[in-house]
Amino acid sequence: EADIYQTPRYLVIGTGKKITLECSQTMGHDKMYWYQQDPGMELHLIHYSYGVNSTEKGDLSSESTVSRIRTEHFPLTLESARPSHTSQYLCASSHDREGTDTQYFGPGTRLTVL
Amino acid sequence: KNQVEQSPQSLIILEGKNCTLQCNYTVSPFSNLRWYKQDTGRGPVSLTIMTFSENTKSNGRYTATLDADTKQSSLHITASQLSDSASYICVVSDRGSTLGRLYFGRGTQLTVWP
Repeated sequence: EADIYQTPRYLVIGTGKKITLECSQTMGHDKMYWYQQDPGMELHLIHYSYGVNSTEKGDLSSESTVSRIRTEHFPLTLESARPSHTSQYLCASSHDREGTDTQYFGPGTRLTVL
Repeated sequence: KNQVEQSPQSLIILEGKNCTLQCNYTVSPFSNLRWYKQDTGRGPVSLTIMTFSENTKSNGRYTATLDADTKQSSLHITASQLSDSASYICVVSDRGSTLGRLYFGRGTQLTVWP
């Protein structure tokens, strides 16, 4: 079982609200990622970080923002949530020690915007 | 275009039976291929990983094969159990760990009935 945590697990909010999805890992991994996944669809990378103070946008355009002030913490923020943001958000982390960069995933946050 | 295609999209089998899931990819250059298991409402968990030179890799009742020439992989599940019910995702990496990006299939939804 990977030591990567996401809170909240489920979130239902109204349009226009600001939200922050939390992600923390205790494995000391340098790399962290945020994915968006809709039911029956593949995971889409929306943000990634290779270390503290390093953040990059992924392949799927997202209105969310991220920060990486500490190695273990990689929160995702939506300034003004909309129904189109309804999805599952998965956080992951990885390291190069194994030479294969396996990503370890958190349990996910299922977000519903009304 | 780099893509990962999985088949079948869904599969129902009886407990105790074997099954095989397929993955075809067009990702190039190829670095490695992973199979993940994703339980409903959870994050994916890595089952196996294979590099270019590996033809088969086992993890308990799960056996993955890779044919790098035809760009095909399969995941064979032996003596299925109810707990095998999940989505199985094929993930291909296009390069070494530092710069590699991942391409995700949409998964095969497996349901095991008693």
